[in-house]
Amino acid sequence: DVVMTQSPLSLPVTLGQPASISCRSSQSLVYSDGNTYLNWFQQRPGQSPRRLIYKVSNWDSGVPDRFSGSGSGTDFTLKISRVEAEDVGVYYCMQGTHWPITFGQGTRLEIK
Amino acid sequence: EVQLVESGGGLIQPGGSLRLSCAASGFTVSSNYMSWVRQAPGKGLEWVSVIYSGGSTYYADSVKGRFTISRDNSKNTLYLQMNSLRAEDTAVYYCARDLKEWGQGTLVTVSS
Repeated sequence: DVVMTQSPLSLPVTLGQPASISCRSSQSLVYSDGNTYLNWFQQRPGQSPRRLIYKVSNWDSGVPDRFSGSGSGTDFTLKISRVEAEDVGVYYCMQGTHWPITFGQGTRLEIK
Repeated sequence: EVQLVESGGGLIQPGGSLRLSCAASGFTVSSNYMSWVRQAPGKGLEWVSVIYSGGSTYYADSVKGRFTISRDNSKNTLYLQMNSLRAEDTAVYYCARDLKEWGQGTLVTVSS
């Protein structure tokens, strides 16, 4: 199985400051069709997960543009340009290139 | 508006069976790929199973041979039949459309 490793696992951030989460995969996530199936999810406390970013860098509808995704191959990043209070929660990366689908361990973002 | 409503969770003894349902509205289940993802208490996300529009199904190794994903097109509903349940299957089970929209989840507790 492809192992997804996130860092850091805990991320205290001051309101208005940027935040960055790294996600590394144990194999390249480039699929035979040329796409890279790397998604980012947000799970706020007590809520269901919500997809923020798909195929590395594409925003889902309604996602604020302060969120951005980047990366290639095995190395990916989710960035928040200016953290707001509503961003508190756990963030997961997920690969859909190889079976089975696998998630990272999650990164808990909190306000400092 | 897309809505997914899971039901069928509860307390079940080890070795027992349970069938989860996910009633969909605002879209056609059979035209999308539909997944089940679970989250053990206080833990991260674990992909469980998927059914594609063409009917192909895939399972995580941890549930293969015990769980069956299916859909009823007339009811626009997704199912997860869970047999030979184990304590480690205890989790909130979410259904998701294209892993983009998620239901609120249903809790399954396997315990004697």
